[in-house]
Amino acid sequence: DAGVIQSPRHEVTEMGQEVTLRCKPISGHNSLFWYRQTMMRGLELLIYFNNNVPIDDSGMPEDRFSAKMPNASFSTLKIQPSEPRDSAVYFCASSLTGTGGYEQYFGPGTRLTVT
Amino acid sequence: LAKTTQPISMDSYEGQEVNITCSHNNIATNDYITWYQQFPSQGPRFIIQGYKTKVTNEVASLFIPADRKSSTLSLPRVSLSDTAVYYCLAQVGGYQKVTFGTGTKLQVIP
Repeated sequence: DAGVIQSPRHEVTEMGQEVTLRCKPISGHNSLFWYRQTMMRGLELLIYFNNNVPIDDSGMPEDRFSAKMPNASFSTLKIQPSEPRDSAVYFCASSLTGTGGYEQYFGPGTRLTVT
Repeated sequence: LAKTTQPISMDSYEGQEVNITCSHNNIATNDYITWYQQFPSQGPRFIIQGYKTKVTNEVASLFIPADRKSSTLSLPRVSLSDTAVYYCLAQVGGYQKVTFGTGTKLQVIP
């Protein structure tokens, strides 16, 4: 199993530019999560999808952030326009729903730097 | 979501057993206790999960007393490669959303 795949692994962009982060969840998983990690704020949940439907986007910081999941094998997180304070590592994770607690499998992350 | 409290950091020598305690006083009946490990420049990785008593796998043991207000992650005979941040989560059964706290930064010393 290839695990959760994220691209790009590193992104450097200038303030005001559009940034698109991509994620391919583990095949068969039906939930997908986007997290952001910074030294100051730790690991924050931005949004999660279940069966391709956004369930909770309360963590999305503002309208500049948007996420889509057009099918079970692909999701994007878009920032438009980007700002220096968006610099962080963005993780995508997936899981399979069932009874009890759910184990989330994380991707390697995308390190975003906005100058 | 139940709030968890754990030490910010711990040091341990190689070969020692490490116990990291997590407090979750307001844990709900449906909550599971889940631990993740995160190495620098990597995403968190699931270690172990339990509801009550004791759970053991090839990596760690998790002890949860009867009142479930705390739990202890036990790492037997740590090595330098166990240096990481360990997160304790209270995860509602049947519900996907989890909250990662600040975690415990474990430093293993040679």
